[in-house]
Amino acid sequence: GENVEQHPSTLSVQEGDSAVIKCTYSDSASNYFPWYKQELGKRPQLIIDIRSNVGEKKDQRIAVTLNKTAKHFSLHITETQPEDSAVYFCAASPGGYQKVTFGTGTKLQVIP
Amino acid sequence: SAVISQKPSRDICQRGTSLTIQCQVDSQVTMMFWYRQQPGQSLTLIATANQGSEATYESGFVIDKFPISRPNLTFSTLTVSNMSPEDSSIYLCSVERDGNTIYFGEGSWLTVV
Repeated sequence: GENVEQHPSTLSVQEGDSAVIKCTYSDSASNYFPWYKQELGKRPQLIIDIRSNVGEKKDQRIAVTLNKTAKHFSLHITETQPEDSAVYFCAASPGGYQKVTFGTGTKLQVIP
Repeated sequence: SAVISQKPSRDICQRGTSLTIQCQVDSQVTMMFWYRQQPGQSLTLIATANQGSEATYESGFVIDKFPISRPNLTFSTLTVSNMSPEDSSIYLCSVERDGNTIYFGEGSWLTVV
């Protein structure tokens, strides 16, 4: 089955700096890669996703890149703000109602 | 997106008892998924619930411990049976929409004492 590794497990950045979280996956059949943000005491919320026919996707301060050859994808947050502090999860799926496998999570702390 | 309601949102349960979590979706979906998130951990799929058939359980999860019902295309329940403190977790209902996008319900925070 799919195995998704995520690092770092914790990340502290100064407000205004950039943050990068990296994930690798094992199943070449995976073609959908979402990222979720989970604030304390809340459910995971989708913040951005990318599909295998796209190498990069951007939404304001958030961007995701995908390298299918190397089987890795990354989340980039620019100009970080204290409200970006949360746990971020990457995930991978072959799509079509097949299992979504989550990474282990990254706790991001943005220091004001 | 999707509007997914879960009940209860939180509960404190005695060990040895069972609790049923309800999940209601705002429109019909083919599959509903149940995840568990243990404290400080990632999300683990428990089972996939199809309407009109038995749920499909992931390795490490069994029907006797986590019976699931799916009576129609907008509703599902997950029961956590004979609970122990190790079952203290967040249980999340989810659906797949918009081309593989997974949306989560509000979650049910269970503490077993």
